Amino acid sequence: GQQLNQSPQSMFIQEGEDVSMNCTSSSIFNTWLWYKQDPGEGPVLLIALYKAGELTSNGRLTAQFGITRKDSFLNISASIPSDVGIYFCAGQTYTNAGGTSYGKLTFGQGTILTVHP
Amino acid sequence: NAGVTQTPKFRVLKTGQSMTLLCAQDMNHEYMYWYRQDPGMGLRLIHYSVGEGTTAKGEVPDGYNVSRLKKQNFLLGLESAAPSQTSVYFCASSITGINNYGYTFGSGTRLTVV
Repeated sequence: GQQLNQSPQSMFIQEGEDVSMNCTSSSIFNTWLWYKQDPGEGPVLLIALYKAGELTSNGRLTAQFGITRKDSFLNISASIPSDVGIYFCAGQTYTNAGGTSYGKLTFGQGTILTVHP
Repeated sequence: NAGVTQTPKFRVLKTGQSMTLLCAQDMNHEYMYWYRQDPGMGLRLIHYSVGEGTTAKGEVPDGYNVSRLKKQNFLLGLESAAPSQTSVYFCASSITGINNYGYTFGSGTRLTVV
């Protein structure tokens, strides 16, 4: 099956530092998504990327859809304590379920981010 | 603005017991999903549904059953719980199946099987 390799597994940084994490795969994806999960909560969508080469920003977050469609990265600039959490990448491919097209998500293993004040 | 609501939030089962996890969404989404989250493994799809009355197997369906009798509800059942099913379970829903701007997740059910 499809697999995503997300790195690093964890990061410990000082407030104000920039953060970078990435996902790679041997498979091609149609869409790349980045989620954040706070403790005790479900993942929340941060950024969605739909075209190869696309670079998208959302406040201090910037993400890119790799040209080969097999990778994506997420950058967080000037980290703050509330950035703490688990960040997941997810790649979407289209499959068919009972005659209905469906976008299947494959998730990376997650990056645990700790920010020290 | 409830979104996706999961019940219960926590549960402890003995091996062999059965239970049903309930997921309810109030956004009129067609698609619903059940995932399990284990440390270091991300989220893995158990079962999903592309509409009322339909269900399909995901990546790790063994030991689970699902039903989607009503559009807003997606039930996940464990007929005979095993310690390997100790996990955090997340339900999600989406408007459509393609370019759906991501899923909306519930806050999870933490299940421990002893």
